[in-house]
Amino acid sequence: QVQLQESGPGLVKPSETLSLTCAVSGYSISSGYYWVWIRQPPGKGLEWIGNIYHGGSADYNPSLKSRVTISVDMSKNQFSLKLSSVTAADTAVYFCARRVYSSGYVDYWGQGTLVTVSS
Amino acid sequence: EIVLTQFPGTLSLSPGERATLSCRASQSVAGSHLAWHQQKPGQAPRLLIYGTSSRATGIPDRFSGSGSGTDFTLTISRLEPEDFAVYYCQQFGTSLTFGGGTKVEIK
Repeated sequence: QVQLQESGPGLVKPSETLSLTCAVSGYSISSGYYWVWIRQPPGKGLEWIGNIYHGGSADYNPSLKSRVTISVDMSKNQFSLKLSSVTAADTAVYFCARRVYSSGYVDYWGQGTLVTVSS
Repeated sequence: EIVLTQFPGTLSLSPGERATLSCRASQSVAGSHLAWHQQKPGQAPRLLIYGTSSRATGIPDRFSGSGSGTDFTLTISRLEPEDFAVYYCQQFGTSLTFGGGTKVEIK
């Protein structure tokens, strides 16, 4: 059974960089699939942040592209998100997930972690 | 970017009733690229339907998906108490997008 678990600070100051890690178990990242970050502001819908393929090629939501970096560490079977220059609008539950390569649907989700941007 | 619009925003129904949820895309979506997810309060979403009409592992057959092109539908044939939740459609074209969600609430 594939499992994903997010970890990282729950509170980030405005203008700083949000950093999260997703540990994957039950499947080797190096075997394939895309690895995704999605967020959900409180009481709102889901927003795709970006994804990375095991080979290291990443794609980002154009609205966030200038501030986002997603990377993968296959030795630890995990991938990471960095979002720079955060504001209160970046307060959200952040989910990591797995996306099927060709048809693109998300088949496994992490439980999510709330990140609050506040001084 | 393909925009997905879900309607209605809220559906108020009783257990045992049929639920019909709609998802309309701003441009044509390949059938294999349309999925539906269910989210309960405080939980992560869960994949229900992929490829427009294929049920994910463990999903009961009261859930069904249909549609093509720009119009897609999720149907719950008879609502069970555990089905009251928010449902999101999701597509993948050049990027991944979600609809705004339909909340199915108890009437």
